[in-house]
Amino acid sequence: DIQMTQSPSSLSASVGDRVTITCRASQNIKTYLNWYQQKPGKAPNLLIYAASSLQSGVPSRFSGSGSGTDFTLTISGLQSEDFATYYCQESSNTPMFTFGPGTKVDIK
Amino acid sequence: EVQLVESGGGLVKPGGSLRLSCVASGFTFSTYSMNWVRQAPGEGLEWVSSISGGSSYIYYADSVKGRFTISRDNAKNSLFLHMNSLRAEDTAIYYCARVVVTTIFDAFDVWGQGAMVTVSS
Repeated sequence: DIQMTQSPSSLSASVGDRVTITCRASQNIKTYLNWYQQKPGKAPNLLIYAASSLQSGVPSRFSGSGSGTDFTLTISGLQSEDFATYYCQESSNTPMFTFGPGTKVDIK
Repeated sequence: EVQLVESGGGLVKPGGSLRLSCVASGFTFSTYSMNWVRQAPGEGLEWVSSISGGSSYIYYADSVKGRFTISRDNAKNSLFLHMNSLRAEDTAIYYCARVVVTTIFDAFDVWGQGAMVTVSS
């Protein structure tokens, strides 16, 4: 089975900061990597698919990169509405999927 | 508007059963694979089960295999999760999610609001 890890597990940041979250897969998943944002009490929301493609309607301050086993999600200029938990998800073994444990971004 | 609405959650005793429903609207339901994803209180996301558009392909996470059954009724734009032999560790919010499938990626692009299942005596 593919295992997904994320770092850090949580971080504190200020509005306007550049934030980077890392996701690592236990084996090569090429670019079969998605990122989701989840706010408290809400369902997750797809941000990035195929490692670097921005989902329709998602602000351009969100970007993704990486391939193989190492991936990053970057928020360039953190906004107040971006305080949330972020999950990576591998989709190389569909129709089964594995999520990372999540990274919580809160206000410094 | 593309929408998924779950129902059927509640409190059930260990060993009991429950059926979750998810009604889809705003898209051609039968052409999409659908999934259930759960989230235990304060925890992360766990994929539970997947069913193809025509119900030919069905998959389960090891944690629920043999106890949960996924099904769908395309005539009623509905997805179901039949849960038997429930355990305390099945306590979670259960989300239904649509999968968009392409040659280069699969991703959950539409999610329901979630249904809470609590397993407790």
